[in-house]
Amino acid sequence: AQSVTQLDSQVPVFEEAPVELRCNYSSSVSVYLFWYVQYPNQGLQLLLKYLSGSTLVKGINGFEAEFNKSQTSFHLRKPSVHISDTAEYFCAVSSSNAGNMLTFGGGTRLMVKP
Amino acid sequence: DAGVTQSPTHLIKTRGQQVTLRCSPKSGHDTVSWYQQALGQGPQFIFQYYEEEERQRGNFPDRFSGHQFPNYSSELNVNALLLGDSALYLCASRRSQGARGEAFFGQGTRLTVV
Repeated sequence: AQSVTQLDSQVPVFEEAPVELRCNYSSSVSVYLFWYVQYPNQGLQLLLKYLSGSTLVKGINGFEAEFNKSQTSFHLRKPSVHISDTAEYFCAVSSSNAGNMLTFGGGTRLMVKP
Repeated sequence: DAGVTQSPTHLIKTRGQQVTLRCSPKSGHDTVSWYQQALGQGPQFIFQYYEEEERQRGNFPDRFSGHQFPNYSSELNVNALLLGDSALYLCASRRSQGARGEAFFGQGTRLTVV
């Protein structure tokens, strides 16, 4: 079985400050890792993904994440946030053994303050 | 490319009724999954359809059923609605070959059971 833990339910941060949203996963097999963003009353938009290869992955809107296999983590970072980054962020894991179904964490609400 | 489209966007039903939600996958995608997202929580996998058959199922009762049509579109049916079925229902599609779990989501259908 696979699971995802997002360590912070809410992260307040001032505009133009750096931010890190933490994600840890559990799986007994090789995994694929994803970060999705959800704006109010909308579906999920893919920010970035780790499938294989380089452990540092870059996504849209200036976000990046680093896959750390030894620590089973996939933390999301942005060096300078904007008001428009205020949203809910979800970390998810899948694997070919699980039929590529996505298992999501509980989400982290990023609140960017002016 | 219209992406993943879902209908209706909002729906209000009474306890005990039945509901059908619809999803058209992104062009070129042949696999459709459904997720339930309760308020304040991450999405939970309901089931996945490929080649018009249910291939995987999450921990949901038999009241939840689905269908996939030859054009890859899909329906989610929920019978005997409970108040706890109130949630955002998300449809996701992907290509069966080479997708490695990467899924594209629709905007969701907000179901309210009263």
